[in-house]
Amino acid sequence: AQKITQTQPGMFVQEKEAVTLDCTYDTSDQSYGLFWYKQPSSGEMIFLIYQGSYDEQNATEGRYSLNFQKARKSANLVISASQLGDSAMYFCAMRPRQGGSEKLVFGKGTKLTVNP
Amino acid sequence: DTGVSQDPRHKITKRGQNVTFRCDPISEHNRLYWYRQTLGQGPEFLTYFQNEAQLEKSRLLSDRFSAERPKGSFSTLEIQRTEQGDSAMYLCASSLGRGKNYGYTFGSGTRLTVV
Repeated sequence: AQKITQTQPGMFVQEKEAVTLDCTYDTSDQSYGLFWYKQPSSGEMIFLIYQGSYDEQNATEGRYSLNFQKARKSANLVISASQLGDSAMYFCAMRPRQGGSEKLVFGKGTKLTVNP
Repeated sequence: DTGVSQDPRHKITKRGQNVTFRCDPISEHNRLYWYRQTLGQGPEFLTYFQNEAQLEKSRLLSDRFSAERPKGSFSTLEIQRTEQGDSAMYLCASSLGRGKNYGYTFGSGTRLTVV
């Protein structure tokens, strides 16, 4: 079974500073994908970034980067130059890349608050 | 492309009543997913359709839950004989396929409150 652990229920960061949101995962699959989603108070889940388990380089998307450490089974999200609009819930998720399952397994999330 | 639409946004119902939610995916997306999210938790997978075929169901989807996607376009999720434990946000998502270029697009969800 797959499991995602996000150990930070809440994080605070000053505007314009960088912040790291932690994510560890557990799986016996050799091939899998890791995702980060943002959920503002409106409820919609917004896709941020993806990392494949065989990707050799860490994924980056604008101000978002994923610090992928496969041996430690961690996939931390780094947000650079935080903005007030980054205040939201952030969820880490994984999905097997092989096999028929389309199920995304999510962690419990981290609430990020950006202070002016 | 208007994104994934869900209707209604909010639903309050009495215990024991039946409710039905609708999801309209992005038109060219052949894959459609339903998730449930309770307070303080991440979304949990319920079911997945590829076109009109329901290919995967979670054990969370009890006999009281049924989902359809009759023509491979919109989908409905029905809950019969609702219970207070069904109170949650029900999220729909769609995608073109698998992999990093085919990330899920989620709707804003239907918040169900069973009283």
